[in-house]
Amino acid sequence: AQSVTQLDSQVPVFEEAPVELRCNYSSSVSVYLFWYVQYPNQGLQLLLKYLSGSTLVKGINGFEAEFNKSQTSFHLRKPSVHISDTAEYFCAVSDFDNQGGKLIFGQGTELSVKP
Amino acid sequence: NAGVTQTPKFQVLKTGQSMTLQCAQDMNHEYMSWYRQDPGMGLRLIHYSVGAGITDQGEVPNGYNVSRSTTEDFPLRLLSAAPSQTSVYFCASSRLTAGWSTDTQYFGPGTRLTVL
Repeated sequence: AQSVTQLDSQVPVFEEAPVELRCNYSSSVSVYLFWYVQYPNQGLQLLLKYLSGSTLVKGINGFEAEFNKSQTSFHLRKPSVHISDTAEYFCAVSDFDNQGGKLIFGQGTELSVKP
Repeated sequence: NAGVTQTPKFQVLKTGQSMTLQCAQDMNHEYMSWYRQDPGMGLRLIHYSVGAGITDQGEVPNGYNVSRSTTEDFPLRLLSAAPSQTSVYFCASSRLTAGWSTDTQYFGPGTRLTVL
């Protein structure tokens, strides 16, 4: 069964600094990988996804992530964060198996951007 | 398109009561799922469905039932509410890829449930 580990529960960072949110997964089969963002008191929305092709994936709001199969990682990065990026970020994995692809989430990383 | 809708937005129950959380989508998605969100635990999958008449258990199914009689609707039933079921519940839907995996999931606004 697949699982997802987000290595940092909270990441404080100053405005305009770079940020990396780390995600590792375990699965015995090929996977699809996702990052979702949840702003306070809202539902989740997709930031970016890796289905196939280039391992460097670009998403909305200037975020990007790199799929590393050998390290089973899918870390999220942004070169310069804004106050408005303050939110909770979730990594998720869906694998290819014959049960139908259920999507499993990590525990979340709270990004707090300070002025 | 309304996307994914959930009702009610808020609910307070007493221990032992039953209720149904409603979820509907108008995107003709095959895949629908229910998650609960608790602080520090992320989203945990309760039940999911890959089409009408097909449901399966997720990570935390105990105390919950689902059915999928139509493509559009996926209600979640709490059989006998317990304080441990106090949580925020999200419904989501997506299309299925050719490899039977989920693509982008679209989430409803959530239902905040308190069990006293």
